[in-house]
Amino acid sequence: AQRVTQPEKLLSVFKGAPVELKCNYSYSGSPELFWYVQYSRQRLQLLLRHISRESIKGFTADLNKGETSFHLKKPFAQEEDSAMYYCALSDQGAQKLVFGQGTRLTINP
Amino acid sequence: ETGVTQSPTHLIKTRGQQVTLRCSSQSGHNTVSWYQQALGQGPQFIFQYYREEENGRGNFPPRFSGLQFPNYSSELNVNALELDDSALYLCASSSGQRNEKLFFGSGTQLSVL
Repeated sequence: AQRVTQPEKLLSVFKGAPVELKCNYSYSGSPELFWYVQYSRQRLQLLLRHISRESIKGFTADLNKGETSFHLKKPFAQEEDSAMYYCALSDQGAQKLVFGQGTRLTINP
Repeated sequence: ETGVTQSPTHLIKTRGQQVTLRCSSQSGHNTVSWYQQALGQGPQFIFQYYREEENGRGNFPPRFSGLQFPNYSSELNVNALELDDSALYLCASSSGQRNEKLFFGSGTQLSVL
């Protein structure tokens, strides 16, 4: 069965410090991995997807198939990064996204 | 271009009742997916509609049903409400069947008493 695990429900770091939000998945095929973010009083929105290999708002995520991980990283956290972050996977061509439980990131000034 | 809109924003029902939630997809999108998000959990896939046909379903009982209309708006119907149905119901639209980028609505908060 497809599963996404985000081991940290809460993560708090200081402004300017590096950030890493962990995501592990279990899936036997070739999944597509995503990070979605929800800022305060805003809708859930796509942050980035692994096949795009892009950096959005300074965040990057590398798919590690050996470790079945898709950790989200940013070298220098900013206060506006405070939000709820969800890791999600989808089978290629499948209709559904499987979400993790989410990590609430708080950036302290 | 208008985003995904959902109505109502909040709803209170009692156990055993039926409820209909509505979603208007973003302009140009022909696919609508519904997710249930319980408190403290990530969204869980209910089903997807593509061009008015159900196109994939998650692990939800048949009392969860839906419709998609020719203008690609959609309804989620839940019969025989149970207390555990209390959750935030999210609608997401996209262009095409694959989950390349979902645009979410603000959700409908359903409370079952």
